[in-house]
Amino acid sequence: QVQLVESGGGLVKPGGSLRLSCAASGFTFSDYYMSWIRQAPGKGLEWISYITTNSSHTNYADSVKGRFTISRDNAKNSLFLQMSSLRAEDTAVYYCARGLTWLDYWGQGTLVTVSS
Amino acid sequence: QSALTQPASVSGSPGQSITISCTGTSSDVGGYNYVSWYQQHPGKAPKLIIYDVNNRPSGVSNRFSGSKSGNTASLTISGLQAEDEADYYCSSYRSSSLEVFGTGTKVTVL
Repeated sequence: QVQLVESGGGLVKPGGSLRLSCAASGFTFSDYYMSWIRQAPGKGLEWISYITTNSSHTNYADSVKGRFTISRDNAKNSLFLQMSSLRAEDTAVYYCARGLTWLDYWGQGTLVTVSS
Repeated sequence: QSALTQPASVSGSPGQSITISCTGTSSDVGGYNYVSWYQQHPGKAPKLIIYDVNNRPSGVSNRFSGSKSGNTASLTISGLQAEDEADYYCSSYRSSSLEVFGTGTKVTVL
């Protein structure tokens, strides 16, 4: 069965960096676009980035552009999100999900807290 | 990037039908048939319930249906059940090559 498992979240100080990982299994990872979505505490969903199957194209929400970098390793069935210059407003649960125009499988999420 | 507009809350009694609207622009909802809907129970990850305006993934109840008219998409839940109490989000492709979510709607079963 399809599984997406995020890891790497935690507490980080403002201005710090963090790298999130998403381990995929149960499907041919290299065949699918992948996305990162976040949800601040008590707030709605915010799509923040996607990457194409062969990493040829990526895109980002304005709120993270220039600070976050999405990448993938198809040989290791893994998706990554490198986050830098973190701000308090980046505090959220971060989900990886399969797809772009629709997201048919989601991970359980990993919590990132940015606080001094 | 501004979110799509949804009502903050919608309620109904068991067995009734409710409809949630999702309003965008001609650059997203009105311009593409790439509207999807997600259900999220508290503390859980979102679940896809409608894609490409009116298609249901395998395993999703046929009580959920989607439609679109102009710049507004809609999700209808018929035969409302207690388990349908959750937050619902629409999403659409946008011409700037991004995806955008709606503001979210809390559904309460009275």
